[in-house]
Amino acid sequence: QAVVTQEPSLTVSPGGTVTLTCASSTGTVTSGYYPNWFQQKPGQAPRALIYSAYSKYSWTPARFSGSLLGGNAALTLSGVQPEDEADYYCLLYYGAQGVFGGGTKLTVL
Amino acid sequence: QVQLQESGPGLVKPSQTLSLTCTVSGDSISSGRYYWNWIRQPAGKGLEWIGRIYASVTTYNPSLKSRVTISVDTSKNQFSLRLGSVTAADTAVYYCASLGSDSYWGQGALVTVSS
Repeated sequence: QAVVTQEPSLTVSPGGTVTLTCASSTGTVTSGYYPNWFQQKPGQAPRALIYSAYSKYSWTPARFSGSLLGGNAALTLSGVQPEDEADYYCLLYYGAQGVFGGGTKLTVL
Repeated sequence: QVQLQESGPGLVKPSQTLSLTCTVSGDSISSGRYYWNWIRQPAGKGLEWIGRIYASVTTYNPSLKSRVTISVDTSKNQFSLRLGSVTAADTAVYYCASLGSDSYWGQGALVTVSS
């Protein structure tokens, strides 16, 4: 089974910009992996932010954007807010099978 | 607004079968718009994709495939998870969710495997 790798932790200052990445053990991540990004705060269910690499939901704040960058899927937060402190998970599809990354703990400090 | 709600026993004995149901409200489960998924999360750990059902076609995590069944009951607007031969390693919060362009999650159900 493929392995999806994310940074275990990142720290960003309020108002700053940070990029989280999502890599596949099988090689370059393309749109065909339909990258999804989720945010999870303590004690809460995950909330979807991005699907199909770039697409946002109606509830996704404008400061979040998804992309394909350097062979990986990426989630960029611009103008980070304190409430963005959370765990972030990517999900890649290998055919119909989904595989989550291990998650990135984002600290806003 | 689509809402999902997990239900089922919170305690399962080792070697037995874990059964959970996800009740969908706000739309028809058979509308064809949604991929219905089960996902789990052990305490303090990351998310694990268990499997999904779409148009009666199921796909499972290879590491769980021999023990998992996901099914849909259109008459009740529900879909279900069965995980057999459970061990303590299956203790987790189990989420039902639709993923993709329409993404909705249940609040999660804690299932503990213990004698």
